[in-house]
Amino acid sequence: AQKVTQAQTEISVVEKEDVTLDCVYETRDTTYYLFWYKQPPSGELVFLIRRNSFDEQNEISGRYSWNFQKSTSSFNFTITASQVVDSAVYFCALSGFSGGYNKLIFGAGTRLAVHP
Amino acid sequence: NAGVTQTPKFQVLKTGQSMTLQCAQDMNHEYMSWYRQDPGMGLRLIHYSVGAGITDQGEVPNGYNVSRSTTEDFPLRLLSAAPSQTSVYFCASRNSAADQETQYFGPGTRLLVL
Repeated sequence: AQKVTQAQTEISVVEKEDVTLDCVYETRDTTYYLFWYKQPPSGELVFLIRRNSFDEQNEISGRYSWNFQKSTSSFNFTITASQVVDSAVYFCALSGFSGGYNKLIFGAGTRLAVHP
Repeated sequence: NAGVTQTPKFQVLKTGQSMTLQCAQDMNHEYMSWYRQDPGMGLRLIHYSVGAGITDQGEVPNGYNVSRSTTEDFPLRLLSAAPSQTSVYFCASRNSAADQETQYFGPGTRLLVL
Protein backbone atom coordinates (compact mmCIF):
# COMPACT_ATOMS: atom_id res chain seq x y z
CA ALA A 1 0.00 0.00 0.00
CA GLN A 2 1.08 3.55 -0.62
CA LYS A 3 0.63 6.30 1.89
CA VAL A 4 1.72 9.89 2.43
CA THR A 5 1.66 11.46 5.87
CA GLN A 6 1.86 15.16 6.59
CA ALA A 7 1.73 15.28 10.35
CA GLN A 8 1.60 19.07 10.59
CA THR A 9 -1.98 20.17 10.05
CA GLU A 10 -1.36 23.89 10.47
CA ILE A 11 1.73 26.04 10.91
CA SER A 12 1.74 29.71 11.77
CA VAL A 13 4.87 31.85 11.41
CA VAL A 14 5.81 35.49 11.27
CA GLU A 15 7.17 36.89 8.04
CA LYS A 16 10.90 36.25 7.45
CA GLU A 17 10.95 33.14 9.61
CA ASP A 18 12.15 29.89 8.07
CA VAL A 19 9.64 27.04 8.06
CA THR A 20 9.90 23.34 7.23
CA LEU A 21 6.98 21.24 6.10
CA ASP A 22 7.34 17.54 6.80
CA CYS A 23 6.35 14.67 4.51
CA VAL A 24 6.76 10.97 5.20
CA TYR A 25 5.79 8.35 2.67
CA GLU A 26 5.29 4.60 2.39
CA THR A 27 5.58 2.54 -0.77
CA ARG A 28 6.72 -0.90 -1.87
CA ASP A 29 7.73 0.40 -5.29
CA THR A 30 11.43 0.83 -5.91
CA THR A 31 10.69 3.37 -8.63
CA TYR A 32 8.46 6.23 -7.60
CA TYR A 33 8.08 9.98 -7.76
CA LEU A 34 7.45 12.49 -5.03
CA PHE A 35 5.81 15.86 -5.53
CA TRP A 36 4.94 19.05 -3.73
CA TYR A 37 1.93 21.12 -4.75
CA LYS A 38 0.82 24.49 -3.42
CA GLN A 39 -2.84 25.46 -3.07
CA PRO A 40 -3.18 29.22 -2.43
CA PRO A 41 -6.43 30.71 -1.09
CA SER A 42 -7.69 31.05 -4.67
CA GLY A 43 -7.95 27.26 -4.78
CA GLU A 44 -5.87 26.13 -7.74
CA LEU A 45 -3.17 23.50 -7.39
CA VAL A 46 0.27 24.67 -8.39
CA PHE A 47 3.04 22.17 -9.10
CA LEU A 48 6.26 23.01 -7.25
CA ILE A 49 8.68 20.13 -7.62
CA ARG A 50 9.10 16.50 -8.65
CA ARG A 51 11.79 14.16 -7.40
CA ASN A 52 12.34 10.55 -8.51
CA SER A 53 13.39 7.75 -6.18
CA PHE A 54 16.87 7.47 -7.68
CA ASP A 55 17.80 11.08 -7.14
CA GLU A 56 18.44 12.00 -3.52
CA GLN A 57 20.13 15.28 -4.26
CA ASN A 58 18.65 18.16 -2.35
CA GLU A 59 17.31 20.97 -4.45
CA ILE A 60 17.15 24.70 -3.93
CA SER A 61 15.03 27.06 -5.95
CA GLY A 62 15.12 30.60 -4.68
CA ARG A 63 13.67 30.60 -1.16
CA TYR A 64 12.47 27.00 -1.52
CA SER A 65 14.51 23.91 -0.79
CA TRP A 66 13.70 20.23 -0.61
CA ASN A 67 15.40 17.47 1.38
CA PHE A 68 14.78 13.93 0.10
CA GLN A 69 16.02 11.09 2.33
CA LYS A 70 15.16 7.53 1.33
CA SER A 71 16.62 6.16 4.57
CA THR A 72 13.85 7.89 6.53
CA SER A 73 11.24 7.92 3.71
CA SER A 74 10.97 11.66 3.99
CA PHE A 75 10.69 14.51 1.51
CA ASN A 76 10.67 17.73 3.49
CA PHE A 77 10.13 21.23 2.14
CA THR A 78 11.72 24.34 3.60
CA ILE A 79 10.78 27.93 2.90
CA THR A 80 13.50 30.40 3.85
CA ALA A 81 12.57 33.93 4.87
CA SER A 82 8.86 33.27 4.51
CA GLN A 83 6.56 35.87 2.98
CA VAL A 84 2.85 36.52 3.29
CA VAL A 85 2.40 35.26 -0.29
CA ASP A 86 3.60 31.85 0.90
CA SER A 87 0.39 31.41 2.86
CA ALA A 88 -1.31 28.37 1.35
CA VAL A 89 -2.00 24.71 1.83
CA TYR A 90 0.91 22.55 0.76
CA PHE A 91 0.44 18.97 -0.38
CA CYS A 92 3.01 16.24 -0.64
CA ALA A 93 2.15 13.45 -3.10
CA LEU A 94 3.51 10.15 -4.36
CA SER A 95 3.08 8.16 -7.58
CA GLY A 96 4.61 4.77 -8.08
CA PHE A 97 5.53 2.35 -10.83
CA SER A 98 2.90 -0.16 -9.68
CA GLY A 99 0.17 2.36 -10.50
CA GLY A 100 1.65 3.26 -13.85
CA TYR A 101 2.31 6.72 -12.40
CA ASN A 102 -1.38 7.45 -13.01
CA LYS A 103 -2.35 7.49 -9.37
CA LEU A 104 -1.22 10.35 -7.20
CA ILE A 105 -1.47 9.60 -3.50
CA PHE A 106 -1.80 12.83 -1.55
CA GLY A 107 -1.10 13.68 2.03
CA ALA A 108 -3.77 15.57 3.96
CA GLY A 109 -1.92 18.84 3.47
CA THR A 110 -0.29 21.41 5.74
CA ARG A 111 -1.88 24.83 6.02
CA LEU A 112 0.81 27.52 6.32
CA ALA A 113 -0.13 30.96 7.56
CA VAL A 114 2.53 33.65 7.30
CA HIS A 115 1.71 36.77 9.27
CA PRO A 116 3.20 40.22 8.64
CA ASN B 1 -2.21 27.01 -24.38
CA ALA B 2 -5.10 27.27 -21.93
CA GLY B 3 -3.84 24.18 -20.08
CA VAL B 4 -6.52 22.23 -18.21
CA THR B 5 -9.94 23.89 -18.10
CA GLN B 6 -12.98 22.90 -16.07
CA THR B 7 -16.61 23.97 -16.18
CA PRO B 8 -18.61 24.95 -14.27
CA LYS B 9 -16.68 26.65 -11.48
CA PHE B 10 -19.51 26.18 -9.02
CA GLN B 11 -22.70 24.12 -9.04
CA VAL B 12 -25.55 23.45 -6.64
CA LEU B 13 -27.57 20.26 -7.10
CA LYS B 14 -30.46 18.64 -5.32
CA THR B 15 -30.17 15.06 -4.17
CA GLY B 16 -30.95 12.73 -7.06
CA GLN B 17 -30.16 15.16 -9.83
CA SER B 18 -27.60 14.32 -12.47
CA MET B 19 -24.91 16.46 -14.01
CA THR B 20 -21.67 16.37 -15.95
CA LEU B 21 -18.49 18.12 -14.92
CA GLN B 22 -16.51 19.11 -17.96
CA CYS B 23 -12.73 18.88 -18.32
CA ALA B 24 -10.65 19.74 -21.35
CA GLN B 25 -6.95 20.10 -22.09
CA ASP B 26 -5.20 21.49 -25.12
CA MET B 27 -1.73 20.07 -24.45
CA ASN B 28 -2.30 16.76 -26.27
CA HIS B 29 -1.76 14.88 -23.01
CA GLU B 30 -2.62 11.20 -23.10
CA TYR B 31 -3.33 10.81 -19.41
CA MET B 32 -6.24 12.51 -17.66
CA SER B 33 -7.74 11.98 -14.25
CA TRP B 34 -10.36 13.22 -11.80
CA TYR B 35 -9.79 13.84 -8.10
CA ARG B 36 -12.02 15.04 -5.32
CA GLN B 37 -10.84 17.17 -2.43
CA ASP B 38 -12.53 16.97 0.92
CA PRO B 39 -11.55 18.88 4.07
CA GLY B 40 -8.68 17.29 5.95
CA MET B 41 -8.29 14.43 3.47
CA GLY B 42 -6.18 15.76 0.65
CA LEU B 43 -7.14 14.71 -2.87
CA ARG B 44 -8.40 11.26 -3.81
CA LEU B 45 -8.46 9.71 -7.27
CA ILE B 46 -11.91 8.97 -8.72
CA HIS B 47 -11.23 7.78 -12.28
CA TYR B 48 -8.44 8.09 -14.78
CA SER B 49 -7.79 7.54 -18.47
CA VAL B 50 -4.59 6.56 -20.26
CA GLY B 51 -5.93 7.50 -23.68
CA ALA B 52 -9.04 7.89 -25.80
CA GLY B 53 -11.38 4.97 -25.21
CA ILE B 54 -9.52 3.72 -22.11
CA THR B 55 -10.63 4.47 -18.55
CA ASP B 56 -10.09 2.87 -15.17
CA GLN B 57 -11.22 3.29 -11.59
CA GLY B 58 -9.31 5.07 -8.89
CA GLU B 59 -9.71 5.02 -5.13
CA VAL B 60 -13.28 6.38 -4.85
CA PRO B 61 -15.17 5.59 -8.11
CA ASN B 62 -18.63 4.81 -6.75
CA GLY B 63 -21.33 7.19 -7.93
CA TYR B 64 -19.29 8.50 -10.84
CA ASN B 65 -18.99 7.59 -14.52
CA VAL B 66 -16.43 8.69 -17.06
CA SER B 67 -15.75 8.26 -20.75
CA ARG B 68 -12.95 9.42 -23.03
CA SER B 69 -14.03 9.79 -26.63
CA THR B 70 -11.33 12.31 -27.55
CA THR B 71 -7.83 13.10 -26.31
CA GLU B 72 -8.93 16.57 -25.26
CA ASP B 73 -12.03 15.88 -23.16
CA PHE B 74 -12.67 13.82 -20.05
CA PRO B 75 -16.12 14.49 -18.55
CA LEU B 76 -17.18 13.24 -15.13
CA ARG B 77 -20.82 12.25 -14.72
CA LEU B 78 -22.84 12.09 -11.54
CA LEU B 79 -25.90 9.98 -12.31
CA SER B 80 -27.78 10.58 -9.06
CA ALA B 81 -26.13 13.15 -6.83
CA ALA B 82 -25.86 12.53 -3.10
CA PRO B 83 -24.86 14.93 -0.28
CA SER B 84 -21.69 12.83 0.20
CA GLN B 85 -20.58 14.02 -3.21
CA THR B 86 -20.34 17.60 -2.01
CA SER B 87 -16.70 18.35 -2.68
CA VAL B 88 -14.24 20.21 -4.87
CA TYR B 89 -13.41 18.31 -8.03
CA PHE B 90 -10.12 18.65 -9.86
CA CYS B 91 -9.23 17.37 -13.28
CA ALA B 92 -5.59 16.73 -14.14
CA SER B 93 -3.54 15.69 -17.13
CA ARG B 94 -0.01 14.59 -17.85
CA ASN B 95 2.16 13.96 -20.87
CA SER B 96 3.29 10.46 -21.69
CA ALA B 97 6.53 11.78 -23.15
CA ALA B 98 8.41 14.69 -21.67
CA ASP B 99 7.80 15.42 -18.00
CA GLN B 100 5.62 12.34 -18.00
CA GLU B 101 5.22 11.87 -14.28
CA THR B 102 3.91 15.31 -13.38
CA GLN B 103 0.17 15.91 -13.32
CA TYR B 104 -1.12 19.41 -14.00
CA PHE B 105 -4.43 20.42 -12.50
CA GLY B 106 -7.39 22.47 -13.64
CA PRO B 107 -8.89 25.24 -11.50
CA GLY B 108 -11.48 22.97 -9.89
CA THR B 109 -15.28 22.72 -9.71
CA ARG B 110 -16.97 23.30 -6.37
CA LEU B 111 -20.08 21.12 -6.05
CA LEU B 112 -22.73 21.41 -3.36
CA VAL B 113 -25.41 18.71 -3.16
CA LEU B 114 -28.41 19.60 -1.00
